[in-house]
Amino acid sequence: GAVVSQHPSRVICKSGTSVKIECRSLDFQATTMFWYRQFPKKSLMLMATSNEGSKATYEQGVEKDKFLINHASLTLSTLTVTSAHPEDSSFYICSVQTGAGTGELFFGEGSRLTVL
Amino acid sequence: QKEVEQNSGPLSVPEGAIASLNCTYSDRGSQSFFWYRQYSGKSPELIMFIYSNGDKEDGRFTAQLNKASQYVSLLIRDSQPSDSATYLCAVNGRGSTLGRLYFGRGTQLTVWP
Repeated sequence: GAVVSQHPSRVICKSGTSVKIECRSLDFQATTMFWYRQFPKKSLMLMATSNEGSKATYEQGVEKDKFLINHASLTLSTLTVTSAHPEDSSFYICSVQTGAGTGELFFGEGSRLTVL
Repeated sequence: QKEVEQNSGPLSVPEGAIASLNCTYSDRGSQSFFWYRQYSGKSPELIMFIYSNGDKEDGRFTAQLNKASQYVSLLIRDSQPSDSATYLCAVNGRGSTLGRLYFGRGTQLTVWP
């Protein structure tokens, strides 16, 4: 598997501010990472695929200008929620796929964002 | 959007019983199937994956796949209270980048002593 670490685990911010979440692959050089979002009692929804050294690929309906993704190295991807609003409050989880061929994902601990 | 459906439950079984979790998917071209366990407030952890028709066993867990019926299930034998969690079914569709998984809403399982 892969060990994935996220920071911060919890963040509370005021409406209109920006929040950055870091995702680190600790034992695997990940050219690709995936960002998911989960609302309470809901399923995980794929937001975007983060590609090292290039632009992220966003899923339909996800605003790329609002959710900025940067994958500057093989071990770090960041998600910035810009001008956050209460409806952005959610559990954001990053994940790594090790390329083993079957596609299983290994998830970070998740970051719970609360926008007041 | 690829649809993945699960019974939301809750499913409640006594300790030592077999828990059966079911999942159906809409994309007939799906090739890889995963079961994750998620404790409240935590991120999902992989239990097992399956990509061939039939059964795959790993300890107390058995995944079953029937591509013709577009159905995948997870059996948990000798259920323990520590198995109480939400179980997520996930699918990786044909042609999708490995890692682009589509998840069901999860089935909440409670194992009572």
